[in-house]
Amino acid sequence: GAVVSQHPSWVICKSGTSVKIECRSLDFQATTMFWYRQFPKQSLMLMATSNEGSKATYEQGVEKDKFLINHASLTLSTLTVTSAHPEDSSFYICSALTELPSAYTDTQYFGPGTRLTVL
Amino acid sequence: AQRVTQPEKLLSVFKGAPVELKCNYSYSGSPELFWYVQYSRQRLQLLLRHISRESIKGFTADLNKGETSFHLKKPFAQEEDSAMYYCAPPSTLTKSNAGGTSYGKLTFGQGTILTVHP
Repeated sequence: GAVVSQHPSWVICKSGTSVKIECRSLDFQATTMFWYRQFPKQSLMLMATSNEGSKATYEQGVEKDKFLINHASLTLSTLTVTSAHPEDSSFYICSALTELPSAYTDTQYFGPGTRLTVL
Repeated sequence: AQRVTQPEKLLSVFKGAPVELKCNYSYSGSPELFWYVQYSRQRLQLLLRHISRESIKGFTADLNKGETSFHLKKPFAQEEDSAMYYCAPPSTLTKSNAGGTSYGKLTFGQGTILTVHP
């Protein structure tokens, strides 16, 4: 259980185009999902918190108009990289929190990541 | 804010040698900590959590409140243990004054790349 998928697994696009990445929780509902960015051999950098039914919360330094996040349902969050440029090339990872009826804390389940290359 | 520090960016050991990946935390309240692992070309996955006190793949981690540490240990490293390891506190649910629920965020340590040589 607790599987998170991402689509696509990799994408190559031209500079100036927009790219949408999907993150799905396959067997559980996730009120909250997170989007990370990871550079080679480096730690994950949290970009934003995606909340179902409300606006995403972005980390400092992350452009909300550049990285559009939509959490339309309890199993799907999307990250759209608008007007992509080569510096946006990276590995994008999402994660999802399970629903917690009473617990105080929980762990995250991670997607396999999406490799974005902007030419 | 919950913060963890992994002082070693890289760690190399030989197969069969003991290995210890360091993690120090610096936040108040009852600490709950996790170790995540990312093998090459695989997704990040939970390795173990403090609260369960279980051993996974031979790894253990003891919470030392006096030293504010949660080091990950394995007595005999294997080549397949080569990976990136992250220490992290849990995401924390909080209740707002209005009765709603907001979710905290997982803050990873810097990560330690473990290489086990044959």
